[in-house]
Amino acid sequence: DQQVKQNSPSLSVQEGRISILNCDYTNSMFDYFLWYKKYPAEGPTFLISISSIKDKNEDGRFTVFLNKSAKHLSLHIVPSQPGDSAVYFCAATNPIFTGNQFYFGTGTSLTVIP
Amino acid sequence: DTEVTQTPKHLVMGMTNKKSLKCEQHMGHRAMYWYKQKAKKPPELMFVYSYEKLSINESVPSRFSPECPNSSLLNLHLHALQPEDSALYLCASSQAVREVTDTQYFGPGTRLTVL
Repeated sequence: DQQVKQNSPSLSVQEGRISILNCDYTNSMFDYFLWYKKYPAEGPTFLISISSIKDKNEDGRFTVFLNKSAKHLSLHIVPSQPGDSAVYFCAATNPIFTGNQFYFGTGTSLTVIP
Repeated sequence: DTEVTQTPKHLVMGMTNKKSLKCEQHMGHRAMYWYKQKAKKPPELMFVYSYEKLSINESVPSRFSPECPNSSLLNLHLHALQPEDSALYLCASSQAVREVTDTQYFGPGTRLTVL
């Protein structure tokens, strides 16, 4: 049962433009969401997170938006750079109900074209 | 410092071999995790140790045996693996403060090939 879904397996964006990566979840108990970036043959690197008490969190070029009613979050990268080309995973959790367990989406492979 | 280290980086083993994967963190984190990741798939949780005690075992076959000697170290002992066990094995750690949002930090992984 895939509780976190990323419906776009891949995305191509021109350098300098905005990249928007989407993630949907089904479990309304999730209250903490994270984005990880992964290069081939490397471990995922934590990028940005958001708690369910917020609807937006920004860190430099990266902004995560959370729409709790739609059970949807998105990651915006502006401006996109070639070095952003990687696979992006969203993850969701709730420390009280899921403990240490994270639920990962299936990933979106982003390619930024120079 | 958010570094989790894993050794070895690459491992090739036969189905009759016994080997171990090692993971270390010095961030004072009290939860450590083993994940398995196949190409183009999300990480799959295998085991979670919280305060050096096994708290989650996601029905992993007994040919994988985790060990947490202390709060900084996590091992995964491998024995009689199958070729389908070939994957990237990821270790992660987090603070594990109860009922507080927690971020997991991943190591670079061990690329395991079973012949």
